[in-house]
Amino acid sequence: SQTIHQWPATLVQPVGSPLSLECTVEGTSNPNLYWYRQAAGRGLQLLFYSVGIGQISSEVPQNLSASRPQDRQFILSSKKLLLSDSGFYLCAWSPQGYQPQHFGDGTRLSIL
Amino acid sequence: QKEVEQNSGPLSVPEGAIASLNCTYSDRGSQSFFWYRQYSGKSPELIMSIYSNGDKEDGRFTAQLNKASQYVSLLIRDSQPSDSATYLCAVIGRGGSEKLVFGKGTKLTVNP
Repeated sequence: SQTIHQWPATLVQPVGSPLSLECTVEGTSNPNLYWYRQAAGRGLQLLFYSVGIGQISSEVPQNLSASRPQDRQFILSSKKLLLSDSGFYLCAWSPQGYQPQHFGDGTRLSIL
Repeated sequence: QKEVEQNSGPLSVPEGAIASLNCTYSDRGSQSFFWYRQYSGKSPELIMSIYSNGDKEDGRFTAQLNKASQYVSLLIRDSQPSDSATYLCAVIGRGGSEKLVFGKGTKLTVNP
């Protein structure tokens, strides 16, 4: 069966510091991969999605970036965090085709 | 702009009652429809998928789809306090992108 791993579970970072969140999927190949952010009490905001290695689509212009160095690895990065980057970051995967997404456990990011 | 609309609630029902959650979508060509459950502080969990008009039952959950009315619903029979969560409706539109469009969610509270 397929599993998705996302870490760390919680992270506290100072303003202006860099960020790297990692997500890996096991038990499948060539998945679609997604990064979402959910602000407190708000809906899901799609940040990036990828249909293959090195293929990244950005949904919202901001100081975040994403990379997919391997088929089942998706990384969210920032060079300098802002206070507004606080939130619950979720990685998700889906098979190719019009299939549902499956989410990791998320990373709760607090910026001080 | 593809949109998915849900009543934000909160929806409050007594234990043992039927909870009815509704969702409308703007893209008439949408093909795939999903319901996710999100407990407070946790990631969304897929609970139902529906692809064709009519009803689909899975245990205490029934998803209903009416493409002509661009309407999808979720019924929860014999509601339990453990069903208290936010329910997210998600839709994949036609052609090209396989991204999900999420509604903002309906918060359900089941009172013992």
